Amino acid sequence: DIQMTQSPSSVSASVGDRVTITCRASQGISSWLAWYQQKPGKAPKLLIYAASSLQSGVPSRFSGSGSGTDFTLTISSLQPEDFATYYCQQANSFPPWTFGQGTKVEIK
Amino acid sequence: QLQLQESGPGLVKPSETLSLTCTVSGGSISSSSYYWGWIRQPPGKGLEWIGSIYYSGSTYYNPSLKSRVTISVDTSKNQFSLKLSSVTAADTAVYYCARQHPPFGVTTMLASFDIWGQGTMVTVSS
Repeated sequence: DIQMTQSPSSVSASVGDRVTITCRASQGISSWLAWYQQKPGKAPKLLIYAASSLQSGVPSRFSGSGSGTDFTLTISSLQPEDFATYYCQQANSFPPWTFGQGTKVEIK
Repeated sequence: QLQLQESGPGLVKPSETLSLTCTVSGGSISSSSYYWGWIRQPPGKGLEWIGSIYYSGSTYYNPSLKSRVTISVDTSKNQFSLKLSSVTAADTAVYYCARQHPPFGVTTMLASFDIWGQGTMVTVSS
């Protein structure tokens, strides 16, 4: 199985801050990585696919980059509605498809 | 607009079989090349993929659960279902169904889950 490791596990930030979350795969996955946002009590929401492609309707302040084993999700200017937990998912090798453990973005 | 809705018992006894159904509305489960998946999330923890099915019945399962999992599809009802046998307290989780983009072929959304149900909490307890 491909292990996905996110860092940090949590980050405290203020509205307007730039936030970067990292996801590392235990082996190369090309650009086959997706990012999801999950708010408490809600289902995950797809933000980015293929490492850097923005899902329809997702604000442009979200961006993704990386390939191989190292990936980042960046929120350029944190908004109140962005406080949530973010997960990466590798889409290259299956079964199983695997998720990172999550990064919680909290209000500072 | 495509929507998914999970249904099934919220309480299951240990050693019994957990059974959930996902009803797809706003589109046909068999009209495209999508897969249909189950993902779970134990309380306070991360996401775990359980398995996925194509409308033809072709399935992929998580090897860690494969011996206990069966996923099936009923195209006449536009539904797909999950059965997880011999459950224990470790199977207590919110169970989500989701639409999954094809895991192969010429697609930039490879294997990503783009539409999710709201989730249903299943507790394993006597």
